[in-house]
Amino acid sequence: EIVLTQSPGSLSLSPGERATLSCRASQSISSSYLAWYQQKPGQAPRLLIYGASSRATGIPDRFSGSGSGTDFTLTISRLEPEDFAVYYCQQYGSSTLTFGGGTKVQIK
Amino acid sequence: QVQLQESGPGLVKPSGTLSLTCAVSGGSISRGNWWSWVRQPPGKGLEWIGEIFHSGSTNYNPSLKSRVTISVEKSKNQFSLKLSSVTAADTAVYYCARYGLSGRGFDYWGQGTLVTVSS
Repeated sequence: EIVLTQSPGSLSLSPGERATLSCRASQSISSSYLAWYQQKPGQAPRLLIYGASSRATGIPDRFSGSGSGTDFTLTISRLEPEDFAVYYCQQYGSSTLTFGGGTKVQIK
Repeated sequence: QVQLQESGPGLVKPSGTLSLTCAVSGGSISRGNWWSWVRQPPGKGLEWIGEIFHSGSTNYNPSLKSRVTISVEKSKNQFSLKLSSVTAADTAVYYCARYGLSGRGFDYWGQGTLVTVSS
């Protein structure tokens, strides 16, 4: 089973700052099957990025994804108040799917 | 607009079987997507339980495989989850979700339903 490790576990930033979130896989994965989600309290996750770097429908361009192999990054260029949430990476391969443990982006 | 709605008992006794159904509206379950169950224990992260295709093909999380059955009812446009021999560790919000075509991630989610395992 591929393990996804997200870092840091939490991030304290101010609105307008840049957030850089990391997702590292225990073995190389296909970029085509790497996605990122945002989750706010009491809500279902929302798809942000698929295929490592493609924004989902309606996602603002301040969200961007990059990476390949075992190292992937989600970047929020300028944090808006509504961006403070928990972010998860997720991979699919060999008929199994795993999520990372999440990164909480909180207001400083 | 595709919508997913989970339903089922909110309380299950230890050693019992958890049963949930996900009703899909606004699109056909036979369109070509895989349909999953994902759970989230209170205050914790997301865990994939398993998935089903409209043909009935399934894939399960290896850690839960011995206890999980996912089935589909195409005529009702819904799919279901059964998790047997539950313990308190199975207490979680259970989500159903649609996996987008060509690996485009989970693009539609239900709102989630809390299932508590307690006597």
